[in-house]
Amino acid sequence: ILNVEQSPQSLHVQEGDSTNFTCSFPSSNFYALHWYRWETAKSPEALFVMTLNGDEKKKGRISATLNTKEGYSYLYIKGSQPEDSATYLCASRIGSSNTGKLIFGQGTTLQVKP
Amino acid sequence: NAGVMQNPRHLVRRRGQEARLRCSPMKGHSHVYWYRQLPEEGLKFMVYLQKENIIDESGMPKERFSAEFPKEGPSILRIQQVVRGDSAAYFCASSPRDRGENTEAFFGQGTRLTVV
Repeated sequence: ILNVEQSPQSLHVQEGDSTNFTCSFPSSNFYALHWYRWETAKSPEALFVMTLNGDEKKKGRISATLNTKEGYSYLYIKGSQPEDSATYLCASRIGSSNTGKLIFGQGTTLQVKP
Repeated sequence: NAGVMQNPRHLVRRRGQEARLRCSPMKGHSHVYWYRQLPEEGLKFMVYLQKENIIDESGMPKERFSAEFPKEGPSILRIQQVVRGDSAAYFCASSPRDRGENTEAFFGQGTRLTVV
């Protein structure tokens, strides 16, 4: 994989449903994987930065896992709420730890219906 | 501590004019990224700068586009002789990078460029 890819592109769930999205990234020369939350009319805001294989991070009802050997990360949202509606972006630092650029996937747009 | 400030928020230019987009990073941040978001697309990397140095400009179009981040003042993304295809939202992000790869990027609210 040469690019950062996310799936699905969009997702519609009911309030209370749990959901997850996938981010695939180049596993060679891996340095860090970032997850961002982007609400309409706002700026992307960082959720997690992960660097270690097997890393798991959690913030409230949102959690993420990382597999650097196979090049994927999952973002989980437990008990989705309407305020979780946003586009979720992942980004991989590609190049080197000091000079690598952040390359973003196209995002997964989540719509939570009350 | 103010966040990343981009100005203007909206910019309208006629074809052939120059567009200058400014980004003031968060205080203490020495690294700046520029991204472009075309309609219905994600954030496309353009350029990665450190003060007085371009680290990676592999995403910049070869012609008409340039970027700088001087020792003093904001980072500037400059587009000369704009064309309709340059119409997009341009986002800037900054990071301190004093802790290497663990550092998250903080985004501005973007500049929406419209070329008429």
